[in-house]
Amino acid sequence: EVQLVESGGGLVKPGGSLRLSCAASGFTFSSYDINWVRQAPGKGLEWVSSFTSSSSSIYYADSVKGRFTISIDNAKNSLYLQMNSLRAEDTAVYYCARDPSYCSGGSCSLGAFDIWGQGTMVTVSS
Amino acid sequence: QSALTQPASVSGSPGQSITISCTGTSSDVGGYNYVSWYQQHPGKAPKLMVYDVSNRPSGVSNRFSGSKSGNTASLTISGLQAEDEADYYCSSYTSSSTVVFGGGTKLTVL
Repeated sequence: EVQLVESGGGLVKPGGSLRLSCAASGFTFSSYDINWVRQAPGKGLEWVSSFTSSSSSIYYADSVKGRFTISIDNAKNSLYLQMNSLRAEDTAVYYCARDPSYCSGGSCSLGAFDIWGQGTMVTVSS
Repeated sequence: QSALTQPASVSGSPGQSITISCTGTSSDVGGYNYVSWYQQHPGKAPKLMVYDVSNRPSGVSNRFSGSKSGNTASLTISGLQAEDEADYYCSSYTSSSTVVFGGGTKLTVL
């Protein structure tokens, strides 16, 4: 079964750190771009970061740039999100999501996420 | 990066059609045909319904269709069913190689 499983969420104090993991199974992990998307309680979706498999490029939302860092371990089929200097506004469910890069006629999709994990909750509070 | 603009809520009766709009800028929606739409039921992860403006992933009902004109994309759901009641989000690839989501639209099936 193709799936992504997040872990590592929890309660952390403002200014603290947390490392989230995203474990993939059922597909060739190294062939896909993987993204982190978060959703604050009762709010909408917010894209956080992406890892591009073809070029190993990494991108971050302005709201987390300089505080969050993506890393990858292809041997473990896992992607990580190191979150430092956490703030109350970082409280959210964090999802990892796969970009399938649907290709047709020589062009491929970008920014569409077909497989999502179940999410892991991060709460930043004193 | 500002969120794409969606109506907060829409509603329709079973069997009717509804359309949800998603407005961005020339740096995202207007500049690329990389608009996606997601359905999210309470407590669940989002589900991809449309990608590249108007393409449906395998298994998604053809009652869901997407389109775009200028900086505004739209999702139309025809033949509304009770199970369509959910939150819907649009997203777009951007000129900064990032992704931006809309604020979300709550669909109520009356």
